[in-house]
Amino acid sequence: KAGVTQTPRYLIKTRGQQVTLSCSPISGHRSVSWYQQTPGQGLQFLFEYFSETQRNKGNFPGRFSGRQFSNSRSEMNVSTLELGDSALYLCASSLNPTAQNTEAFFGQGTRLTVV
Amino acid sequence: TQLLEQSPQFLSIQEGENLTVYCNSSSVFSSLQWYRQEPGEGPVLLVTVVTGGEVKKLKRLTFQFGDARKDSSLHITAAQPGDTGLYLCAGKRDDKIIFGKGTRLHILP
Repeated sequence: KAGVTQTPRYLIKTRGQQVTLSCSPISGHRSVSWYQQTPGQGLQFLFEYFSETQRNKGNFPGRFSGRQFSNSRSEMNVSTLELGDSALYLCASSLNPTAQNTEAFFGQGTRLTVV
Repeated sequence: TQLLEQSPQFLSIQEGENLTVYCNSSSVFSSLQWYRQEPGEGPVLLVTVVTGGEVKKLKRLTFQFGDARKDSSLHITAAQPGDTGLYLCAGKRDDKIIFGKGTRLHILP
């Protein structure tokens, strides 16, 4: 079956702009989580959506937001971009997020560069 | 403060050598996972450990979960260049998956 698909793969934006990233989970998975990965901070949890509802949220400013559609596809939006937002943004989908041994399947990520 | 500390941050060794990398925390996790991430790709799950003291083997990789479920180790026997990558540990707590910063492993042929 198809894996997690993230688009676009690469993006260059200027400071102050806003950006929308897209994630299509594995068919049948209803949970989608977003992470920001930087060399200095590693993988940091942004938020998780399950059945169109935000279930968990990390410690990021309100400029970072997301949503999930009825087909489980998810988007995240970053407004008023800052240089420090440059990172690899990863999306992960899972079947049963509350299970102890739940497996997260990651997409290839979107590499965002803010100039 | 990082909830999951991984050590070492970087490791470069010759093919055929053995190595161990560590994942430590002061918090208890209901489960702990190890992922490997290669350049340009997302992390891929290697193993999940759930029970304190649990040991799991995946070919030349041996994973151990600490008795108190606060730490874990990954031991690789006879490392090969294909083992090169970023190894991430991740703990499940309060329905969130929290990642360490990873150990970047480079195996020299």
